[in-house]
Amino acid sequence: GDSVTQMEGPVTLSEEAFLTINCTYTATGYPSLFWYVQYPGEGLQLLLKATKADDKGSNKGFEATYRKETTSFHLEKGSVQVSDSAVYFCALSSFQKLVFGTGTRLLVSP
Amino acid sequence: DAGVIQSPRHEVTEMGQEVTLRCKPISGHDYLFWYRQTMMRGLELLIYFNNNVPIDDSGMPEDRFSAKMPNASFSTLKIQPSEPRDSAVYFCASSLYQATNEKLFFGSGTQLSVL
Repeated sequence: GDSVTQMEGPVTLSEEAFLTINCTYTATGYPSLFWYVQYPGEGLQLLLKATKADDKGSNKGFEATYRKETTSFHLEKGSVQVSDSAVYFCALSSFQKLVFGTGTRLLVSP
Repeated sequence: DAGVIQSPRHEVTEMGQEVTLRCKPISGHDYLFWYRQTMMRGLELLIYFNNNVPIDDSGMPEDRFSAKMPNASFSTLKIQPSEPRDSAVYFCASSLYQATNEKLFFGSGTQLSVL
């Protein structure tokens, strides 16, 4: 079945460092791709999405590009802040539901 | 709108007891999802409803789990009898149309501990 694979965490960075969290997927057809973020003690929130190949989703300084040729949707941010510390989930749409990766914890220190 | 509302926020119970988790979706949303989050397995979809009708319950782990949606504004997830391995965070989410291209709105979750 359709699935999402994320890099294992935690990812530990200093403030203002560059962030990459890898995400690859396996899917039949052409799914939409998503990044969700979960702050401590809260539910998941949509961070960004892309609906077709070569689309770039962006929000709050985060970006991800839908790469069909490499079946990837890597999350990037040029300069992270302490407030970005959270768990990040990559997801794809599959038959009316979302399939999530296992999540990657990001820890940003001052 | 207040968002997706789940209750209780925390539940501690003993093995063998019945546990009922509650969810109020965002008004007007046609889809409701129940997820379970654990360290080992990440976020798993248990069941989802469309217009109050269960569409896919293939993620429900076993017969001890059941979910209902008696009306558009309320859903329950019941575990009877509960076991320690059921300890997890249970999330409810809703969406306006469907998951494809439409974002899910998550509640804050119920932290369940079964002793």
